[in-house]
This record gives sequence, structure tokens and C-alpha cells, in this order.
Amino acid sequence: QVQLVESGGGVVQPGRSLRLSCAASGFTFDTYPMHWVRQAPGKGLEWVAVISYDGATHYHADSVRGRFSISRDNSKNTLSLQMDGLRAEDSALYYCAKPRDTLILDAIDFWGQGTLVTVAS
Amino acid sequence: QSALTQPASVSGSPGQSITISCTGTSRDVGSYNLVSWYQQHPGKAPKLMIYEVTKRPSGVSNRFSASKSGNTASLTISGLQTEDEADYYCCSYARSSWVFGGGTKLTVL
Repeated sequence: QVQLVESGGGVVQPGRSLRLSCAASGFTFDTYPMHWVRQAPGKGLEWVAVISYDGATHYHADSVRGRFSISRDNSKNTLSLQMDGLRAEDSALYYCAKPRDTLILDAIDFWGQGTLVTVAS
Repeated sequence: QSALTQPASVSGSPGQSITISCTGTSRDVGSYNLVSWYQQHPGKAPKLMIYEVTKRPSGVSNRFSASKSGNTASLTISGLQTEDEADYYCCSYARSSWVFGGGTKLTVL
């Protein structure tokens, strides 16, 4: 069965960096695009970034572009999110998410349980 | 990348039907048949209920249906059940990005 297990969250000071990881299993990881989506405590969902199956194409939300970078290592079935210049408003539960099919436009149909990032001094 | 607009809350009694609207722009909902809907219970990850405007994934009840007209998409839940009480989010592709709605809290009275 599909599993997505996020890690790397924690408490970090404003301006510092953090790297999130997502270990994927139960599906052919290297054929699927992958997303990061976040949810601030008590708030709604916010799309963060997507990367193509081969890592050649990636898009980021305006709110994180230039500070966050999505990447993947298909040899290790791992998705990553490098977060630099963190701000208080980046505090959220970060979900790793898989689309229902292999096209980058396909809807997300599976989510991990998330890893919590708190940016505070 | 402005969030899609959803009502903050809707409510209904068991057995009734409710509709949740999701209003975007010609840059997202209006331009692509790539609207999806998610159900999220407290403390849980979201669950895909509808994709590509009207399609239901396997295992999702046919009490859930959806449509789109212009820049507005809608999710209808018929025969409300207590387990439908949850937050609902719409999502649309928007040219190299995705945008979610602010979410609607459904209360089943």
C-alpha cells in the first residue's frame, strides 16, 4: 500500500533553514510527480510546490519562490523540500502528497501525515 | 495565486442536501477542467472526493457530486450523514501552480 512518511520538521528561528524529507513506498515513485502542501494550525490548505517524475520540472508558489526548493532522489524514493529564509508565516504542517496518476496535472489523491514546522524566536 | 473563495460554513440536517460553492477567476477555475474537492476530518489528512470537476474516485459515495459553471465550481452532498461533517476544500490548477479554497466547515445538525 502507498505510504508517504515526512520528517525533518521542528522549531527553527526566523531566517534559518530547514530541510524536509518524504520517504515514499508502495508505488512506482519515479513515475509520479510529487507535491508539498502545507496547512497552518487551524487554517486552510496551501499548495507549496510540485516536481515532475524525473525532477526536470518544478514549480513553486509565489509565497515561497526564491526561498524554498523542491527536489527528489528517485534512487532513494525520497522527496525533499529545502526551506531557507524561514518566516513566522511558514509555520505549518507540511504534507508530502502524491497525484492519482502520472501526469503533473493530476489531482492529489494521497497525503502523508505531515511534519510540523514552527518558526519562532 | 489568490485563494479560491468558499463560504466559511454551511449546515444541514441528516438526509438533506447541501451545496458548497468555490469561486475563482478566469486564470484558474474558469480556464481548466481541473477542479478537485477534498474532505478533511479534524486531525486527519485530506481525502480526495472529486477530481476533474465531476469525477468521483473509486470508493467515494455517489452522494457526492460536483459541477462547474464559468469561474465557479460547486460540490453537492445529498442525503447528508453525520460522518459528512468535516472541512471541505476545493482546488484548481492555475497555470504552473495550484490554488486551494479557504475551506468550508460543514456541520450536520
